[in-house]
Amino acid sequence: SSELTQDPAVSVALGQTVRITCQGDSLRSYYASWYQQKPGQAPVLVVYGKNDRPSGIPDRFSGSSSRNTASLTINGAQAEDEADYYCNSRDSSGNHLLFGGGTKLTVL
Amino acid sequence: EVQLVESGGGLVQPGGSLRLSCAASGFTVSSNYMSWVRQAPGKGLEWVSVIHSGGSTYYADSVKGRFTISRDNSKNTLYLQVNSLRTEDTGVYYCARDLGSAWSGYFDYWGQGTLVSVSS
Repeated sequence: SSELTQDPAVSVALGQTVRITCQGDSLRSYYASWYQQKPGQAPVLVVYGKNDRPSGIPDRFSGSSSRNTASLTINGAQAEDEADYYCNSRDSSGNHLLFGGGTKLTVL
Repeated sequence: EVQLVESGGGLVQPGGSLRLSCAASGFTVSSNYMSWVRQAPGKGLEWVSVIHSGGSTYYADSVKGRFTISRDNSKNTLYLQVNSLRTEDTGVYYCARDLGSAWSGYFDYWGQGTLVSVSS
């Protein structure tokens, strides 16, 4: 498969934990990266590789991977975390890049 | 400070062409892996193309043969020549820097985007 599949929408209560998943065959070979995008803004890298965060990203964001599934976990979701989240990874050839369809996170 | 500034978007008729530019500062484009990513209105992100630090280029199947990625080392600028435009090419085009010293697809810096509208 040359696709990455994400749930279109997920909701979480303020302060609770939420997991956003990304499925695809390429994830058996490559780690994913995760991006947060708010309306009218460019995406922002929040997690990449095995479980790395760029400087400035809160440690409530973490990543994990198992078989063909990558996950982004937000521990103690905040109102400002409400956004669209996208995963990506290289495809099985290694030369192209795939993006998931995105997950809209609502913080209640 | 790393910055990426895109320009060159606009309204164009189907079949038309544009050259998108991405001016970089704070780092050297030719030493990095650089990509173009686009986003249709109200839709998700779609990877378009990459140029490796060594000069190799790769394209999404949806644009192969119509788009060309290149760079000008003297201007520290990335380009995307977009030809034979279709209505489905409409969207915001972002340039993005790969954070690794090898092709990873992890984009640590993005530009603000430039809008391409293809319509008759």
